[in-house]
Amino acid sequence: SQELEQSPQSLIVQEGKNLTINCTSSKTLYGLYWYKQKYGEGLIFLMMLQKGGEEKSHEKITAKLDEKKQQSSLHITASQPSHAGIYLCGATTREAAGNKLTFGGGTRVLVKP
Amino acid sequence: DAGVIQSPRHEVTEMGQEVTLRCKPISGHNSLFWYRQTMMRGLELLIYFNNNVPIDDSGMPEDRFSAKMPNASFSTLKIQPSEPRDSAVYFCASSLAGGLSWYNEQFFGPGTRLTVL
Repeated sequence: SQELEQSPQSLIVQEGKNLTINCTSSKTLYGLYWYKQKYGEGLIFLMMLQKGGEEKSHEKITAKLDEKKQQSSLHITASQPSHAGIYLCGATTREAAGNKLTFGGGTRVLVKP
Repeated sequence: DAGVIQSPRHEVTEMGQEVTLRCKPISGHNSLFWYRQTMMRGLELLIYFNNNVPIDDSGMPEDRFSAKMPNASFSTLKIQPSEPRDSAVYFCASSLAGGLSWYNEQFFGPGTRLTVL
């Protein structure tokens, strides 16, 4: 079965600084999803990547999928307190029926004002 | 759209009791997913339905867990009997899957926080 490894597990950044989260898969990714979760709430969809080398941005968040489609990174530029939360990557593989997702363990982000 | 609706938001029960969690997916979505989230195991898929039919229940922990989807707008996850190790946040998610939208994102509900004493 597919496994997703996220790193780091947690990080604390000063407001205004950049941060990067990585998601590495044991299998080729056919759909890679980034979600954000605040404590006590559900997951909010950020963006989805499918093609090798693809890069997407939304406001100050940029996500990339490497050419081999086994690793993705999420980069936040000039972090703000509103960026605090848990970031999870989820992925589907060619073998997965429908859009069944496997999730990484999450990265807990704290932004210090 | 109200999004995915789950009830109750919080449930506290005693070991051995039956627990029923409810989910109303987004109207028009044809896939529904039940997840469990714990500190130790993270977010795990329990079961998912496509067009009301269970497709993959390999994540259901044991026979104490059962899920149904009697129609396109309602699903339940039942635990009977409940045990303390079932304490977790249970999420329901829905999506529109199939055809060109095979990789559409899943929309998550707010979750049900279950505590089994």
